[in-house]
Amino acid sequence: GAVVSQHPSRVICKSGTSVKIECRSLDFQATTMFWYRQFPKKSLMLMATSNEGSKATYEQGVEKDKFLINHASLTLSTLTVTSAHPEDSSFYICSARDRLMLTKNIQYFGAGTRLSVL
Amino acid sequence: GENVEQHPSTLSVQEGDSAVIKCTYSDSASNYFPWYKQELGKGPQLIIDIRSNVGEKKDQRIAVTLNKTAKHFSLHITETQPEDSAVYFCAASFSSNTGKLIFGQGTTLQVKP
Repeated sequence: GAVVSQHPSRVICKSGTSVKIECRSLDFQATTMFWYRQFPKKSLMLMATSNEGSKATYEQGVEKDKFLINHASLTLSTLTVTSAHPEDSSFYICSARDRLMLTKNIQYFGAGTRLSVL
Repeated sequence: GENVEQHPSTLSVQEGDSAVIKCTYSDSASNYFPWYKQELGKGPQLIIDIRSNVGEKKDQRIAVTLNKTAKHFSLHITETQPEDSAVYFCAASFSSNTGKLIFGQGTTLQVKP
């Protein structure tokens, strides 16, 4: 159980285009999902907390108009990188909390999306 | 703000030896401490976690210890195997309300056959 599916696993796009990444909880419902960014050989940097049915909460320094987050259902959150530029190239990872186990605070992670902007 | 320091950044051991990774946290209100294993090009996988009301937890070759007074916790891997080679991250959470995790910098573990 507790599987988080992230799609696509890899995407290459041209500078100026937008890219959407999906994060799905397959066998549980998630009122809260998280989006992280990871640079090579670095730790996970929290970008934003995605809340089902409400606006995402962005961490300091993260442009909300650049990284659009939508959490329209209890099993799906999407991250859209708008007008992508080469400096947006990175490994993006999502995680989700089981709404029935919020007090346990466990986050289950997706496999990540490698974004390369040419 | 909250901070988690992790050491060492790299660790190389011989197969069969033990490996220990240590983390310290700054927020005394932290109450949940998970450890994640990340293989190259993949997402982190939860391998063990501990809560603030417990001092030690073990799962086969993996154990975690927590010292709340000193605000540090450690991951112990015994009888290491080549497949244990990966990057390991510790994390701390002080709020089950927000669920936010603060991650350590990561430790690259290499187990030599």
